[in-house]
Amino acid sequence: AQSVTQPDIHITVSEGASLELRCNYSYGATPYLFWYVQSPGQGLQLLLKYFSGDTLVQGIKGFEAEFKRSQSSFNLRKPSVHWSDAAEYFCAVGAFLNSGNTPLVFGKGTRLSVIA
Amino acid sequence: GAVVSQHPSRVICKSGTSVKIECRSLDFQATTMFWYRQFPKKSLMLMATSNEGSKATYEQGVEKDKFLINHASLTLSTLTVTSAHPEDSSFYICSAKGIGLAGNEQFFGPGTRLTVL
Repeated sequence: AQSVTQPDIHITVSEGASLELRCNYSYGATPYLFWYVQSPGQGLQLLLKYFSGDTLVQGIKGFEAEFKRSQSSFNLRKPSVHWSDAAEYFCAVGAFLNSGNTPLVFGKGTRLSVIA
Repeated sequence: GAVVSQHPSRVICKSGTSVKIECRSLDFQATTMFWYRQFPKKSLMLMATSNEGSKATYEQGVEKDKFLINHASLTLSTLTVTSAHPEDSSFYICSAKGIGLAGNEQFFGPGTRLTVL
């Protein structure tokens, strides 16, 4: 079965510190992986995505993620967190091929708090 | 490109009334649209998948007579919450996949906050 696990429900980091949000997936086909960010009361904003090529992908707002097939992981990182990064982060997986009705499968999310 | 809008962004209604939420793809044709529901501090729960011109496919546990979905055109899908009750209060988000868009990428609307009094 397809699933996404985000082991950390809530993470608190100091402003300026580095950040890593974990994501593990289970998917039968070639995965298409995403990270989204959601601010309170807002919709989802795509941070980055991966489906092939370089396993280290760069996204917006200084985020990057690394795909590790052997570990079925797609962890999100940022070298220096800003207070504005406080939000909910969702990892999602979908089928690489444009298979019409296949929806994305979301993890439960990780809430990031940033302290001064 | 690939912008999805939702209207209204926020709605408050009385218990027993029906509420319609629109999801539009503004610059692409959406062959498939998905409707999600999100409870406070929770992840997105897929409610249904709709394809233009055909009946929606509902996820297990989602009442199709309660949540009416119509995908009448390639740019518009609507979700109608019928006879709304306070437990229907939630954040509803749509997403769309379109013709010519690569891979399985979905584009999300900004969401609609429904509050039923």
